[in-house]
Amino acid sequence: ILNVEQSPQSLHVQEGDSTNFTCSFPSSNFYALHWYRWETAKSPEALFVMTLNGDEKKKGRISATLNTKEGYSYLYIKGSQPEDSATYLCALFDSWGKLQFGAGTQVVVTP
Amino acid sequence: DGGITQSPKYLFRKEGQNVTLSCEQNLNHDAMYWYRQDPGQGLRLIYYSQIVNDFQKGDIAEGYSVSREKKESFPLTVTSAQKNPTAFYLCASSGGKSGNTIYFGEGSWLTVV
Repeated sequence: ILNVEQSPQSLHVQEGDSTNFTCSFPSSNFYALHWYRWETAKSPEALFVMTLNGDEKKKGRISATLNTKEGYSYLYIKGSQPEDSATYLCALFDSWGKLQFGAGTQVVVTP
Repeated sequence: DGGITQSPKYLFRKEGQNVTLSCEQNLNHDAMYWYRQDPGQGLRLIYYSQIVNDFQKGDIAEGYSVSREKKESFPLTVTSAQKNPTAFYLCASSGGKSGNTIYFGEGSWLTVV
């Protein structure tokens, strides 16, 4: 079983503040790292697919970086808004075609 | 519209009965996955299939069975051997390569009483 870990498990952010959280994974057998956003009562929605060491991706106020050598990825939210409240999942795609998810980071943005 | 359809959305079953959850996709995706989520926990992989007529066990396959007779369909059977079947089940599909985005169904809630 791959060990994809996310921290923190949850965080509360004031509207307008920026925040970031971590996904760590074993650096061997790495093929790709995925980030998803999961809102209550909806299906998870893809944010980023990252494959190369040093990758940086951005989508609006959300961005992510990837370090495959040390086995971690950061997700950043700049100027958090209440609509950013969701659980953010990272998932590791390995060499056997498995997609393993971390437990997620639940973000709550309060006005 | 293209997408993944899971059914039923809510299902109640008596203990000891097998139950089959449906997952259909019209995205022409090669790979399909089944995950389980329990309260306060992440998504755990039950089974996955990278191509028709082939599938592999995930991390918690005991008590479950699947088939992949058609590209668009990947049904999951929760058997009576599954000790704690009450959970949220999520089906997903992708183009099969690591760089492809995964698309998810809306999930099925199974309650065994």
